Amino acid sequence: NAGVTQTPKFQVLKTGQSMTLQCAQDMNHEYMSWYRQDPGMGLRLIHYSVGAGITDQGEVPNGYNVSRSTTEDFPLRLLSAAPSQTSVYFCASSFSLVQNTGELFFGEGSRLTVL
Amino acid sequence: GENVEQHPSTLSVQEGDSAVIKCTYSDSASNYFPWYKQELGKGPQLIIDIRSNVGEKKDQRIAVTLNKTAKHFSLHITETQPEDSAVYFCAASTGSGGGADGLTFGKGTHLIIQP
Repeated sequence: NAGVTQTPKFQVLKTGQSMTLQCAQDMNHEYMSWYRQDPGMGLRLIHYSVGAGITDQGEVPNGYNVSRSTTEDFPLRLLSAAPSQTSVYFCASSFSLVQNTGELFFGEGSRLTVL
Repeated sequence: GENVEQHPSTLSVQEGDSAVIKCTYSDSASNYFPWYKQELGKGPQLIIDIRSNVGEKKDQRIAVTLNKTAKHFSLHITETQPEDSAVYFCAASTGSGGGADGLTFGKGTHLIIQP
C-alpha cells in the first residue's frame, strides 16, 4: 500500500529559486492538504483542497501556490524560495467531507533547506 | 481562528508508569479532537480521536477525555512502553465534516519513556 507519497525527501535550494514538492495519494481521497512543521511550532496548514479543481488557503499560504488537476495529485510550488521557508513539509489526505472519518493520512515528509 | 495550547512540551516517565498530555482550545464551535503520534523521521499518524458528543474514549492503553465546558481535552497512556516514545500532537477542528477542512494543531509533546 503506497498511501501518500511525497517527493523529494530532501532538497536544498538557494534564495530566489523555485521548486515543486510533489504529493500523490492512491486512496481515492477527495481531501488533500499541505502542512509545514517547524521546531516548537507544531503543524501549520498551508493550503488544502476538497476536490479536483478546488483549492483554498490555510493558516500560512504566503509564498506558496497549489493546484489540483486530478484527485491523486496535489503539488506545492515555491515560486521564489526564502530562508523562512526552510522547514519539513507534510502532505496529507482524507476521505471526502461526506464520508469523512476525520483521519488524516500523512506522507513521510519533505525536508527543505533554503540557503 | 482556533488556538490550541498543548502541555507539557516534554514529558519523561518511567516505563510502566502513566503519561498524561493536556490541551486546551479556544473556539467553542470545535467538534472534533484527534491525537497524532509522530515517530522520528515519519509523518504523524492518528492514534485516537473524540467528537464533541462524547466525554471519553478508550482504545487499549490509550484514552482521551473531553471537557467541553472547560474547553480542554487530554490524552492518557497507561503502562507505558519504550515504543510509546514519540512526539504527540493534539488538534481541534470546527469543520462541518468533522475535520477534513483543516485541523489546528498544538505544538507537540515529546514523550520520553525511561527504561
